[in-house]
Amino acid sequence: QLQLQESGPGLVKPSESLSLTCSVSGDSITSSNSYWGWIRQAPGKGLEWIGNIHYSGTTNYNPSLKSRVTISVDTSKNQFSLKLNSVTAADTAVYYCARHGQQLVYSYFDYWGQGTLVTVSS
Amino acid sequence: DIVMTQSPDSLAVSLGERATINCKSSRSVLYSSNSGNYLAWYQLKPGQPPKLLIYWASTRESGVPDRFSGSGSGTDFTLTISSLQAEDVAVYYCQQYYSTPTFGQGTKVEIK
Repeated sequence: QLQLQESGPGLVKPSESLSLTCSVSGDSITSSNSYWGWIRQAPGKGLEWIGNIHYSGTTNYNPSLKSRVTISVDTSKNQFSLKLNSVTAADTAVYYCARHGQQLVYSYFDYWGQGTLVTVSS
Repeated sequence: DIVMTQSPDSLAVSLGERATINCKSSRSVLYSSNSGNYLAWYQLKPGQPPKLLIYWASTRESGVPDRFSGSGSGTDFTLTISSLQAEDVAVYYCQQYYSTPTFGQGTKVEIK
């Protein structure tokens, strides 16, 4: 059974960078040829797609966040990561990593991590 | 971006009754070359990650009870819970994947 688990600091200071890692277990990140994504949900708000990455390193980002986001992959560790620069309180959210369900650049999400709350505060 | 608008924002339904949630996209999410509607539905409960219920607008994910069904095409879609159970209390989201993924604002389902 495929499992995803987010890890990283739960508290980040304004103007600094948020960094999270998603560890994938139960299968190789390269085997399904899928894209792997990040989604967030701010308190009281809906879901927002941040971006995704293929194990080859190809990335796609939400235009509204593109200038601040970098997603990378480490196939040797079966992980992919998110870095969001210059954070503000508006970036406070539960961050999820997830697998896109089919071998499409954009797809639905069939496996999700449990999510991790990141608070931006001084 | 394709904007997804759900209605209603919340609804209260008696146990065993039908719950219907609507989702409208600002542009068609029907891809003519494969006749696929690039639309999914999720269930979100507090403290849990979203659970995929439906994809391709009407294909039920493995393990999802058959009281959940999806319908619609183009710009207008519906998620139906045919007989509401207590464990169905949650917030439901639609998502389009025709282009950069976007989600609806969510519909909260409660027991009347």
